[in-house]
Amino acid sequence: KNQVEQSPQSLIILEGKNCTLQCNYTVSPFSNLRWYKQDTGRGPVSLTIMTFSENTKSNGRYTATLDADTKQSSLHITASQLSDSASYICVVSVRRYGGATNKLIFGTGTLLAVQP
Amino acid sequence: IAGITQAPTSQILAAGRRMTLRCTQDMRHNAMYWYRQDLGLGLRLIHYSNTAGTTGKGEVPDGYSVSRANTDDFPLTLASAVPSQTSVYFCASRDTDKNTEAFFGQGTRLTVV
Repeated sequence: KNQVEQSPQSLIILEGKNCTLQCNYTVSPFSNLRWYKQDTGRGPVSLTIMTFSENTKSNGRYTATLDADTKQSSLHITASQLSDSASYICVVSVRRYGGATNKLIFGTGTLLAVQP
Repeated sequence: IAGITQAPTSQILAAGRRMTLRCTQDMRHNAMYWYRQDLGLGLRLIHYSNTAGTTGKGEVPDGYSVSRANTDDFPLTLASAVPSQTSVYFCASRDTDKNTEAFFGQGTRLTVV
């Protein structure tokens, strides 16, 4: 069964500190993996996309890694800010063939709270 | 309109009533989706449309219907609302030919009482 599991479920850190969020997936065949940030009361917004051949990708203070062999991804946030408080969702795309559209599998998210 | 817009933002609805959630995008994306988000369950796909004129069932389609008369609009209808349909609903769109990210609306918070 295609699944995406994230950990921790929630996390509280102090402003300025770093943190790492984890995503494990059992999706096959794999197409790509995206990390989304969802602010309270808003829709998710894409942070990064990782394809099979990519090991790491950065977007400002956000750095995503992907290990396609172990089917794990992480999102590292450096020098956290209050505005980083949000839910972070890992989304894996299942590759489909014959012209069918890839299916998206969503994790349940990690709720991050950055405190002053 | 810039991006993808949902209406209403929130709604309280009596059980048994009919309700249509609206979704409009101006990015000319071919694919559109409706998700519901419930605490601890993440986003679950209700219905989708890969192109105008076609629709398909997602993970939790029962009690919902959709239509895709044109590229821009993808309304979601609850024919007879039940309390278990209380949720936050998100519409999303993407260009599957270019394999872009999914762009989400701001959500509709629906409470069925």
